[in-house]
Amino acid sequence: DGGITQSPKYLFRKEGQNVTLSCEQNLNHDAMYWYRQDPGQGLRLIYYSQIVNDFQKGDIAEGYSVSREKKESFPLTVTSAQKNPTAFYLCASSTVTGELFFGEGSRLTVL
Amino acid sequence: GQQLNQSPQSMFIQEGEDVSMNCTSSSIFNTWLWYKQDPGEGPVLLIALYKAGELTSNGRLTAQFGITRKDSFLNISASIPSDVGIYFCAGRTQGGSEKLVFGKGTKLTVNP
Repeated sequence: DGGITQSPKYLFRKEGQNVTLSCEQNLNHDAMYWYRQDPGQGLRLIYYSQIVNDFQKGDIAEGYSVSREKKESFPLTVTSAQKNPTAFYLCASSTVTGELFFGEGSRLTVL
Repeated sequence: GQQLNQSPQSMFIQEGEDVSMNCTSSSIFNTWLWYKQDPGEGPVLLIALYKAGELTSNGRLTAQFGITRKDSFLNISASIPSDVGIYFCAGRTQGGSEKLVFGKGTKLTVNP
């Protein structure tokens, strides 16, 4: 089945640690995105990539980093510089008409 | 920045009732998307709208792109328990999907 796979589903991190969330898609989409979701809030854009080897900061990029070495993969690293990293993280890719398709999400908890 | 006002924030209804929710903005949009999110899952695209006045259905769901291009609504007819979840609108003024703006969601509870 075509889709977007995020892993891990749940992740626990100690303060001061970097963690990397995986996102893989087999939809052959060029554009990929990372969003953060907090309770009662809309989705906020962290980073996006419209093509391999290129990515742009979104609205809340501070404390996060990404790479886009392959079309299928767009991993997100939550660094120790992110002061409030506990959240639900969503990866998405989009069609040429701009419809976003999301993965199942990764819930990060800082202990 | 652009903002979407989504209302209501939450709804408690009886099974079988119809539901209506909407999103409004002071900005003009050229695309509206409606998503449903189940707890602990990613949002799933329900309906996409691309033209002012467009009315599109997907089963018991109907969504419309407002004539003024500043609003959109989603209706659910004859609600069932599996309609429970959070419904999000998203709008885009121009550019790619990086320009999508999301509403804060409408949490729907359906009592059997």
